[in-house]
Parts: sequence; structure tokens; C-alpha cells
Amino acid sequence: AQSVSQHNHHVILSEAASLELGCNYSYGGTVNLFWYVQYPGQHLQLLLKYFSGDPLVKGIKGFEAEFIKSKFSFNLRKPSVQWSDTAEYFCAVNDPPNFGNEKLTFGTGTRLTIIP
Amino acid sequence: GAGVSQSPRYKVAKRGQDVALRCDPISGHVSLFWYQQALGQGPEFLTYFQNEAQLDKSGLPSDRFFAERPEGSVSTLKIQRTQQEDSAVYLCASSSPTGGLYNEQFFGPGTRLTVL
Repeated sequence: AQSVSQHNHHVILSEAASLELGCNYSYGGTVNLFWYVQYPGQHLQLLLKYFSGDPLVKGIKGFEAEFIKSKFSFNLRKPSVQWSDTAEYFCAVNDPPNFGNEKLTFGTGTRLTIIP
Repeated sequence: GAGVSQSPRYKVAKRGQDVALRCDPISGHVSLFWYQQALGQGPEFLTYFQNEAQLDKSGLPSDRFFAERPEGSVSTLKIQRTQQEDSAVYLCASSSPTGGLYNEQFFGPGTRLTVL
């Protein structure tokens, strides 16, 4: 079965710092990859997704992620974080792409705290 | 409605009680998913419906868990004889086929279940 690892459990950064959150998955075949974000008091929202093509994908709010197949990784990045980026971030995989049943396997999440 | 809604938002149950959690998906969404999110963990898949048909229930942890969607819209997750390990946030998500590679799942706010 697929598993997703997020090694950073809690990250604390100052505003304007650069961000990189790690995500690794175990399945070696074709996968769809996602980053979800949960702001305090809000529900899970899709930040960005990768299906195929350009391995560097751009999402909302200046976030981007790079798919590196050889490393089974899909790390999330942002060049300059803001206080409003404080949230919990989840990496997820659709494994394998089952059209019509896109159940997701999530990582344990990374709590990001931005200090003003 | 505008998004996925869930009720109740909070539920406290005594061990051994039965509970029922409701999910109202986005109107017209064909697919409906239930996930369980324990404290400090990512969401874990429980079950999936396409219209009224329950096509995957592989994630249900025991036969105490039962889900239904009799008319292909509202869904109910029922937990019989609740145990302390059932304490978690139960998330509902819905999606609709768009003809693309993946149908984005829209998540509700969740129901936080505490079993005493």
C-alpha cells in the first residue's frame, strides 16, 4: 500500500524567509500528487496538484512544488513566506490513479508557524 | 449549498453509545468520500460512494462502522458501540466528474467526535 512521509512535523519561520516542506511517497508507478492546506479554523483546501508534464507546478498564493520521480519526492516551496501562511500542510497521493475513485493517501502533516 | 457541510460539528459520546454523522455534499457531486483524522495525523480514507453505490469500504476500521448514501446525495456515517479509539475528526469530501485526469475533492469542516 502507498505511504506518504512528511518529515517536518513543525516548522517555525520568520516572515520573508524561504520555505521548503518535504514529502516522499512509496509507490513507484504513476501517481497523482497534491498539497492541501488547512488554515486555523478552516477546512482542507487544495493548494496545488501534479498529474503529468512539467514537474514544477505552481499553485495558489505563490506556492510551488517540484516532482522528482527518481527521489519519490514532491516538495513544497515558497520563496518568501507571510504570516498568513501559518497553517497545517498535508501532502497526498492518489494511488494509483483510479478514475472514478480518487481516494487519497495523506501524510501526517506539517504545522507551519510564521513569526511576524 | 456553496460547500460541503457536516453536522454536528462536535459530538461527545459515552463509550458504548451509537453515533450518526451527517454529510451534505456539494449539490450535484457524484462522488463522496469519508476520512478519519486522528489527533496529529493526516486524514485516512474510510469509504467512497459513487451516487448511492458504496464502491469502496476498505478503510472502515471495523464492522462497527457503517456508511450509507441512500439517495445519492446526503450521506451518514454511523458508528456503533463507540470506543475511545474512535475519537477523531471525521471528514467528508465530494467531487464531480469533469472529464479530466482527476476530480478535485472538496472537503467539509469535519465532525470532531470525542468518546469518553
